[in-house]
Amino acid sequence: GENVEQHPSTLSVQEGDSAVIKCTYSDSASNYFPWYKQELGKRPQLIIDIRSNVGEKKDQRIAVTLNKTAKHFSLHITETQPEDSAVYFCAASNRDDKIIFGKGTRLHILP
Amino acid sequence: KAGVTQTPRYLIKTRGQQVTLSCSPISGHRSVSWYQQTPGQGLQFLFEYFSETQRNKGNFPGRFSGRQFSNSRSEMNVSTLELGDSALYLCASSLGGRGQYEQYFGPGTRLTVT
Repeated sequence: GENVEQHPSTLSVQEGDSAVIKCTYSDSASNYFPWYKQELGKRPQLIIDIRSNVGEKKDQRIAVTLNKTAKHFSLHITETQPEDSAVYFCAASNRDDKIIFGKGTRLHILP
Repeated sequence: KAGVTQTPRYLIKTRGQQVTLSCSPISGHRSVSWYQQTPGQGLQFLFEYFSETQRNKGNFPGRFSGRQFSNSRSEMNVSTLELGDSALYLCASSLGGRGQYEQYFGPGTRLTVT
């Protein structure tokens, strides 16, 4: 069946340190992997995405890596700042072009 | 371009009633997907509409239904409401063509069933 597992469910990092969130997917036909950030009381916002023909993508302090063989993909945030505190969701497309979401990671940036 | 909008933003209903939620996508977007968001369960896919046709469906009971109009606006309906239907209902729009996956979310409708 289709499934996207996301870890950890909660992550606390010191301001200025890096944060890594990991996801695995089950559908070998998945070819699109977006990441969303949801601040408290707000809508999820697309922050970065990657397609299966690319192994890594970077946008300023945010990077995503994809390992198709292992069906893993990860979000890396460097030099974390207080405004990075939010819930982050990974997702993957499936063979029917549905976008399946992980259950989210609550990221706390500690002062 | 205006973003995705949803109405109403908040709703309180009683068990057994029905409810209709509305979503207006970004201009030019032809796909609208609906998600249920509850604490601890993340975003669960309800269904997707593209060009007025349901293209994909999640694992929700038949009490949950939707439709899409010719202007791409979409509605979802929940009949015979249950307490467990209390959630934030989000819609997301995308261009919808093959490989055009980027989705943009609306602000959601917070439904409370008492």
